[in-house]
Amino acid sequence: DAKTTQPNSMESNEEEPVHLPCNHSTISGTDYIHWYRQLPSQGPEYVIHGLTSNVNNRMASLAIAEDRKSSTLILHRATLRDAAVYYCILRGYGGATNKLIFGTGTLLAVQP
Amino acid sequence: KAGVTQTPRYLIKTRGQQVTLSCSPISGHRSVSWYQQTPGQGLQFLFEYFSETQRNKGNFPGRFSGRQFSNSRSEMNVSTLELGDSALYLCASSLAASGGASDEQYFGPGTRLTVT
Repeated sequence: DAKTTQPNSMESNEEEPVHLPCNHSTISGTDYIHWYRQLPSQGPEYVIHGLTSNVNNRMASLAIAEDRKSSTLILHRATLRDAAVYYCILRGYGGATNKLIFGTGTLLAVQP
Repeated sequence: KAGVTQTPRYLIKTRGQQVTLSCSPISGHRSVSWYQQTPGQGLQFLFEYFSETQRNKGNFPGRFSGRQFSNSRSEMNVSTLELGDSALYLCASSLAASGGASDEQYFGPGTRLTVT
């Protein structure tokens, strides 16, 4: 499975944008980039995913580099509720599995 | 729609005992996966079931087993508990019929197991 690299921790101020980076230099052409987050004392929750083009949803935006070797999760206005561990995960297409390989993720702290 | 539910939420067992954890997926979801989360190892994949068949297994000893019933509910069992089995056990369900890479997984709140 292709590996992802994320910073261990980041800090942000409330109501400011947050850019969470992820490197995945060994990504294959059929790997989707998924982001999940885990709030304190909860199970992980899906945030967003993409393949090649940038993606937006109600929670966040995902910017994917042209060579797909890196991506950035963008929270447009951080709130205290966004304090969580954010995981960047690669998922191959076509395999008969829903297995997720979690790395160590990025612990995001949001200051009021 | 109700989310993924896991029972019990907290459990304390002693070494050598066995334990069974239960997971009820979101209605209509046929895929259930289990994960173990510890401070030292992070989130690790245990196994995955689809339509009552185990189709993927992580790198855990045979003491860890699971099954899925015809209503998609799943149980995992850990026999001969060790102190190192203390962890948060998470269950996730997905609508996926064929494991498509774009499928979103929904996680339950987990069962916190403490082995003394």
